[in-house]
Amino acid sequence: GNSVTQMEGPVTLSEEAFLTINCTYTATGYPSLFWYVQYPGEGLQLLLKATKADDKGSNKGFEATYRKETTSFHLEKGSVQVSDSAVYFCALSVSGANSKLTFGKGITLSVRP
Amino acid sequence: DTGVSQNPRHKITKRGQNVTFRCDPISEHNRLYWYRQTLGQGPEFLTYFQNEAQLEKSRLLSDRFSAERPKGSFSTLEIQRTEQGDSAMYLCASSLVPLAGSRSYNEQFFGPGTRLTVL
Repeated sequence: GNSVTQMEGPVTLSEEAFLTINCTYTATGYPSLFWYVQYPGEGLQLLLKATKADDKGSNKGFEATYRKETTSFHLEKGSVQVSDSAVYFCALSVSGANSKLTFGKGITLSVRP
Repeated sequence: DTGVSQNPRHKITKRGQNVTFRCDPISEHNRLYWYRQTLGQGPEFLTYFQNEAQLEKSRLLSDRFSAERPKGSFSTLEIQRTEQGDSAMYLCASSLVPLAGSRSYNEQFFGPGTRLTVL
């Protein structure tokens, strides 16, 4: 089956620190990969995506590269801000009829001033 | 359009009672998904509709759960004879249908969720 594994959290960083959140996956087909973010009190939002190997998704200073050889999609940001404090979910969707998402457990990021 | 809306936002009920949640998707979206999220976990797929047809149900969706989308617009999720294990956040998402034969992905837009607490 399909599954997503995220590193254990929570993560606490100081403002302007470098961020890496690890994500690995297993999939029965050829997946598209996503990072979703949930800010306090808000719904899930798509942060970035990559649909094929070696693609790099990027948005709001965050980046993630689809690594087929290591089945990974790690999220990085060079300099985090307090406003980046949120829960981050890695997810996949295998191309096919339903496009349902399979999520990891999520990780809480807290950025202190 | 203000995005996907869900009602109620919170529901507290006693074990054994029935509850119903509503989801209003983005108006032009023909796909609608239901997910369930328990504390400390990511969302898990429950079921999805394309227009009014329910095309897939997860094994997580026991016989006590039923979902409808009668006119291909809003959807309802009903839980009968609720149990404490049903306590969770129920999320709705909507999207357009990807082009046939393509590997494209149409973004799923999520609502704020309905938090169910079963006492």
